[in-house]
Formats: sequence, C-alpha cells, structure tokens
Amino acid sequence: DAMVIQNPRYQVTQFGKPVTLSCSQTLNHNVMYWYQQKSSQAPKLLFHYYDKDFNNEADTPDNFQSRRPNTSFCFLDIRSPGLGDAAMYLCATSRALSSYEQYFGPGTRLTVT
Amino acid sequence: EDQVTQSPEALRLQEGESSSLNCSYTVSGLRGLFWYRQDPGKGPEFLFTLYSAGEEKEKERLKATLTKKESFLHITAPKPEDSATYLCAAGRGGSNYKLTFGKGTLLTVNP
Repeated sequence: DAMVIQNPRYQVTQFGKPVTLSCSQTLNHNVMYWYQQKSSQAPKLLFHYYDKDFNNEADTPDNFQSRRPNTSFCFLDIRSPGLGDAAMYLCATSRALSSYEQYFGPGTRLTVT
Repeated sequence: EDQVTQSPEALRLQEGESSSLNCSYTVSGLRGLFWYRQDPGKGPEFLFTLYSAGEEKEKERLKATLTKKESFLHITAPKPEDSATYLCAAGRGGSNYKLTFGKGTLLTVNP
C-alpha cells in the first residue's frame, strides 16, 4: 500500500542535543510538509518542499531545518532542542500545492529531557 | 488572518446517539474544506473534501456538509470505534496553498 512512513515513532533527546526525524513516502507526491502538533492543539505548519523548492513558514524558529535529498525522503533537523519543542511531529504529502488533500504519516513523538 | 474554529471541544455520546460537529471558518477565497480523523498518538487520516457551499459527502456513518461560513460533520448512530478527534482544515485559493487547521473535536462514544 502507498503510504507515508515516519521514523522513529518515539524519540527522546536531551536538551540542546541535535536530533533528526525521518519521513519517507511511496505515494510519489511532489510536496512534503512538516507539522508540529502539541497536545490538544491544531497541527502547525513548519515548512514544506515542493519538489526541491524549500518554503519556510515565517514563524518557524531557526532551530528547525529540513532536507529533502530525493522525492521519497524528507528530514526534520532540530539543532538545539528546548523543552518547548517536545511535541508530535507530523509529515504529510500532497500531489501538488494546488491539491490540498494531504496524507499524513503516523507521527514522531519527541520528548526532550 | 485565516481562522478555523471547531465546536464543541469535546463531545460524549452514547452508542446510537446521533449528533453533529461544527467547523466555522474565515478564509479568504476558500479553495476547499477538509475533514480528518485523528486517533490518539497517530497522524490525521483524510476523510472528506468539500469544495463549494451546498456540497455533501458521506462515508459510512459520517456525512459532511458545507455552507459559506461553516461545515458540519454529522454522525449517525455512532459506534465506540468512531471515538477519535475530528479535525477540520480550510485551504485558501490563489498562490497561498496553506491549510489552516482547527483544534479539533474529541468525540467519545460510550457503549
């Protein structure tokens, strides 16, 4: 089945220790998104890639970076995690920017100690 | 600024007790209104897209409707397995592709 896969499902990191979260997709979609979702909150868009074009949301902290080495994979790097960065991180894909049906992965729950 | 507000925040139903969830939006040039289901600790699962006022979509016990200012998700004779958080998201038209999500309604269906 075509799908969006995120690894790991659970990640524990220490305050200030860099961490990388991974997303892969078999849908062959052009757009990949990263969202942050805190408990009982709406998913908050951090950035997206349309093919190789990177687009950062204006309020995304500089601490968050992303890489997309090929169509299938996208990574979220948190350079110096703070306690406030503990959240669920969701990866999503869509066929095109004009195609708003986004398909989500299962998420990575990040804990910062 | 685009806004999506969902109500109620939480809803408890008995099995078989039908009800509706509300999603009101203020989005300039709505491109589409989307409903997702999210189970605890998982990513949102796509349910419906509605593009224009008056449109309706159905799937099993769920029916989504759209007006110019709000959308409803009607749940008919719910079962315990319908328990989840239901998220609504609005996408604006033009070059701004972004989806604006509501905080969701946590639905609990008791047997």
